Amino acid sequence: QKEVEQNSGPLSVPEGAIASLNCTYSDRGSQSFFWYRQYSGKSPELIMSIYSNGDKEDGRFTAQLNKASQYVSLLIRDSQPSDSATYLCAVIHSSASKIIFGSGTRLSIRP
Amino acid sequence: EPEVTQTPSHQVTQMGQEVILRCVPISNHLYFYWYRQILGQKVEFLVSFYNNEISEKSEIFDDQFSVERPDGSNFTLKIRSTKLEDSAMYFCASSEPDRGGDTQYFGPGTRLTVL
Repeated sequence: QKEVEQNSGPLSVPEGAIASLNCTYSDRGSQSFFWYRQYSGKSPELIMSIYSNGDKEDGRFTAQLNKASQYVSLLIRDSQPSDSATYLCAVIHSSASKIIFGSGTRLSIRP
Repeated sequence: EPEVTQTPSHQVTQMGQEVILRCVPISNHLYFYWYRQILGQKVEFLVSFYNNEISEKSEIFDDQFSVERPDGSNFTLKIRSTKLEDSAMYFCASSEPDRGGDTQYFGPGTRLTVL
């Protein structure tokens, strides 16, 4: 069974601090990894994609992938109230295939 | 910036009725998907579609469901006889051909309510 696991939260982080979101996946054949942000009642919005081990930075966001540990994380620097949302970890086993989503971590940035 | 669009934004139907949810994927994308999200639950894959045929489907996508690309721009999901448990947000997604189809962009969703 291919699973993606996330802590459901809520994770409360003060404004301006670093938010750290974690995810593990069960299928070693997974090749593509994504972080989506979902505001309540809205659709998933792509934040980051990562395909190889290591770090990938895009603005305030850094995705980290460790395939040996089957672990992917997202760091959000200088957290803003607008970052308050549910963050979905998503994994694809092979190209042009379905995304397996985690259940999401609810992040709350407190002023 | 091009985006996936979906209509209607909200559909209310009676149990047993047929519904068609419509999507217009991003114009140069070749891979299309439907997902659903029951309130408070995770986003679940339903079906993927490429080259005018289903490439993969989940156990949720039973004989009640069908997909079609009736013309060059629309991608539809039909539910033949709706059940109460079909109430959910339905998201269409499409992906870029040059990435092998794995970076998926989601539409705003259709909220389906079955009474």
